[in-house]
Amino acid sequence: DAKTTQPPSMDCAEGRAANLPCNHSTISGNEYVYWYRQIHSQGPQYIIHGLKNNETNEMASLIITEDRKSSTLILPHATLRDTAVYYCILPSGGSNYKLTFGKGTLLTVNP
Amino acid sequence: GAGVSQSPSNKVTEKGKDVELRCDPISGHTALYWYRQRLGQGLEFLIYFQGNSAPDKSGLPSDRFSAERTGESVSTLTIQRTQQEDSAVYLCASSYSGETQYFGPGTRLLVL
Repeated sequence: DAKTTQPPSMDCAEGRAANLPCNHSTISGNEYVYWYRQIHSQGPQYIIHGLKNNETNEMASLIITEDRKSSTLILPHATLRDTAVYYCILPSGGSNYKLTFGKGTLLTVNP
Repeated sequence: GAGVSQSPSNKVTEKGKDVELRCDPISGHTALYWYRQRLGQGLEFLIYFQGNSAPDKSGLPSDRFSAERTGESVSTLTIQRTQQEDSAVYLCASSYSGETQYFGPGTRLLVL
């Protein structure tokens, strides 16, 4: 049973912002939302995570709706190297350590 | 600093042989995880080590799979009597006490 829902693919022009949506309507009060990405033939790379407040780091911003049922990952100025599969994850397990990666969103950044 | 390293990067073996995959976590990380990723699929959780606690082995697919970790250092994932369906990328991650996981590059296993 999927805990998150993401579009299978998206396109973005180089230099523009990429906004990747994720629905997690069954999220519980103490579940964090994590975002990872996987560039072809590499291991997954951590991007950002949040609980209920919006978060920003050097890679991206994470906007979580007030009801916490959805979130959006924003890459402010996408580059060709940002082409990857992006995963929105709600870790499970007693200490929130099990990451279950679904199909994610394949973001293709075009020149 | 150095990230998570895994060896070998690629392994080709014959059906029925045993294989050992190694993971060196980030220094100071108390937690270590193994995942499997079949071609075109998402990651499957295999096993989790946290300090001296008993590992969570709930993701191991069969008794042919086992893993060990010495203290808070290197871990070895062993697959006995490999089968063709074991072909996948095996990924290791580590974290400081169960927080954000940092992944290694993976070992690509091909069972002929």
